[in-house]
Amino acid sequence: AQSVAQPEDQVNVAEGNPLTVKCTYSVSGNPYLFWYVQYPNRGLQFLLKYITGDNLVKGSYGFEAEFNKSQTSFHLKKPSALVSDSALYFCAVRDMDSNYQLIWGAGTKLIIKP
Amino acid sequence: ETGVTQTPRHLVMGMTNKKSLKCEQHLGHNAMYWYKQSAKKPLELMFVYNFKEQTENNSVPSRFSPECPNSSHLFLHLHTLQPEDSALYLCASSQDPLVAGELFFGEGSRLTVL
Repeated sequence: AQSVAQPEDQVNVAEGNPLTVKCTYSVSGNPYLFWYVQYPNRGLQFLLKYITGDNLVKGSYGFEAEFNKSQTSFHLKKPSALVSDSALYFCAVRDMDSNYQLIWGAGTKLIIKP
Repeated sequence: ETGVTQTPRHLVMGMTNKKSLKCEQHLGHNAMYWYKQSAKKPLELMFVYNFKEQTENNSVPSRFSPECPNSSHLFLHLHTLQPEDSALYLCASSQDPLVAGELFFGEGSRLTVL
């Protein structure tokens, strides 16, 4: 069965430190992977996606994510966290060999402390 | 105008009321979606419309009735809802549901069923 797991409900990071938000997935075919961010009382905003090619994908607001096929992971990273990065982050995967629906993780709340 | 606009932003209704949620997209996209977002759960896809035609209905109860009069407008008609239907309802659009492009979300309609 297709699935996405975000193992941490919440991640706490001090401002200026590097941050990682974890995502693992399970699909039967080739995955297309996405990260979205949701600020309080707002809709979701696209951050970045992996389709093919370079395993390191760069996105908005200085975020990047690394696709690791052997570990079926797509962790979101940023070298230096800002307080304004505090938000809810969602990982999603699309199995391009079976159907085109996005499968979503439950979200990880990122809290950046000054 | 922002890309995807949802109204109302907040709605409180009794179980016997009839109300509607409205979504409008100004991006020239062909596909529109309704999602349900509940706390600490993955986003639940409810309906997908592509070129005004419904292409997905993920076993949504009949008390939710979508309507897509054209590619720019999407409605969700609500009647005889249950308290467990209280959630944030998100509208999204994309260029084509069969292409791995990003979704553009509205800010959501927060629904409370008493």
